[in-house]
Amino acid sequence: KAGVTQTPRYLIKTRGQQVTLSCSPISGHRSVSWYQQTPGQGLQFLFEYFSETQRNKGNFPGRFSGRQFSNSRSEMNVSTLELGDSALYLCASSLAGRGDGYTFGSGTRLTVV
Amino acid sequence: GENVEQHPSTLSVQEGDSAVIKCTYSDSASNYFPWYKQELGKRPQLIIDIRSNVGEKKDQRIAVTLNKTAKHFSLHITETQPEDSAVYFCAASIGGSQGNLIFGKGTKLSVKP
Repeated sequence: KAGVTQTPRYLIKTRGQQVTLSCSPISGHRSVSWYQQTPGQGLQFLFEYFSETQRNKGNFPGRFSGRQFSNSRSEMNVSTLELGDSALYLCASSLAGRGDGYTFGSGTRLTVV
Repeated sequence: GENVEQHPSTLSVQEGDSAVIKCTYSDSASNYFPWYKQELGKRPQLIIDIRSNVGEKKDQRIAVTLNKTAKHFSLHITETQPEDSAVYFCAASIGGSQGNLIFGKGTKLSVKP
């Protein structure tokens, strides 16, 4: 079966701009979680969506937002980009509570200049 | 807040030796503990997981042990091979949910031929 698909793979933006990242989960997976990965902080939880509802949220500012559509695809938006937002953004899908671990996508590498 | 501490941050072993990575967690409600392997430039991949009702789980050369009383769990890799070289992340579910994970900061394992 197809894995988790994230688009785009790479993105370069300037400070102050906004960006939207997309994640298509494995078919049948209703939970999508987003993580920010940086060398210094590791994998930090952003938020989780399940059946179009945000179920959990990490400690990130309100500039980071997301949504999930009825087909379980999810988007993440970052507004007013800062240099410190440069990171690898990973999404992971799971069946949510049915004993399956996350399956991660390949990530979107965001560089803010 | 909840956190997961992972040690060591780097580990170098000779091919054929064993490697052990240890993690401690703070949330007593955590009940799911996966381990992920991330090779350079690639996505994290689930290699093994354990649930709180099990003390040990093994899959070929990889084993995980869990001590719920002490709130720590460990990854054991036996007969290491150069292709085991990667960054390994432990994680723990937050609040008993399997839809949201908090990760350790990772261990960079190098296996020297």
